Amino acid sequence: ETGVTQTPRHLVMGMTNKKSLKCEQHLGHNAMYWYKQSAKKPLELMFVYSLEERVENNSVPSRFSPECPNSSHLFLHLHTLQPEDSALYLCASSLGLAGGYNEQFFGPGTRLTVL
Amino acid sequence: AQTVTQSQPEMSVQDAETVTLSCTYDTSENNYYLFWYKQPPSRQMILVIRQEAYKQQNATENRFSVNFQKAAKSFSLKISDSQLGDTAMYFCAFMNRYDYKLSFGAGTTVTVRA
Repeated sequence: ETGVTQTPRHLVMGMTNKKSLKCEQHLGHNAMYWYKQSAKKPLELMFVYSLEERVENNSVPSRFSPECPNSSHLFLHLHTLQPEDSALYLCASSLGLAGGYNEQFFGPGTRLTVL
Repeated sequence: AQTVTQSQPEMSVQDAETVTLSCTYDTSENNYYLFWYKQPPSRQMILVIRQEAYKQQNATENRFSVNFQKAAKSFSLKISDSQLGDTAMYFCAFMNRYDYKLSFGAGTTVTVRA
């Protein structure tokens, strides 16, 4: 266990549904990340939060909406997704953003299937 | 953006044997970190080993060691005395020392045979 948990572990949703992914870190970290992992492709960074402020939005479509209410929790709200959004969504956290504090610890991921 | 290339999609190794995974990267930076992450079938990605580019000595963590060739921009991972629990996908990753963005390779699936 890395100290980062994600729920649910599996999610199946229709294109018109609204759902949310949850990430929680128990490491006292200040930065949190969302990644998308698709088959046969490198991990793609989606969003980065530092001290609850978004510092990175890597050209992610608006149907993905992140929320970071505090430094321990990170959500990814999903609506009107497309089948190509089916992937493993990984959350990560780090103590800080740079200067030797940027080692990232990953959660187990949520396997999302969009029908 | 930095490019990280893992040229071996899959590798198979007999238990107790040694396997070496290759990784090359492209960067104009001089200060950076390199990582190898392991993602077992349970999916939780864990850090295996980390190398700081300004350190010439190759990092070692128990049975895992790297061969870091800065001039060649090469960062290979050697798994010695392979065990069944080493079966996983292994990702090479790059990070600028003063940044937070990890650039990942496409991964190498390692299967350890009994």
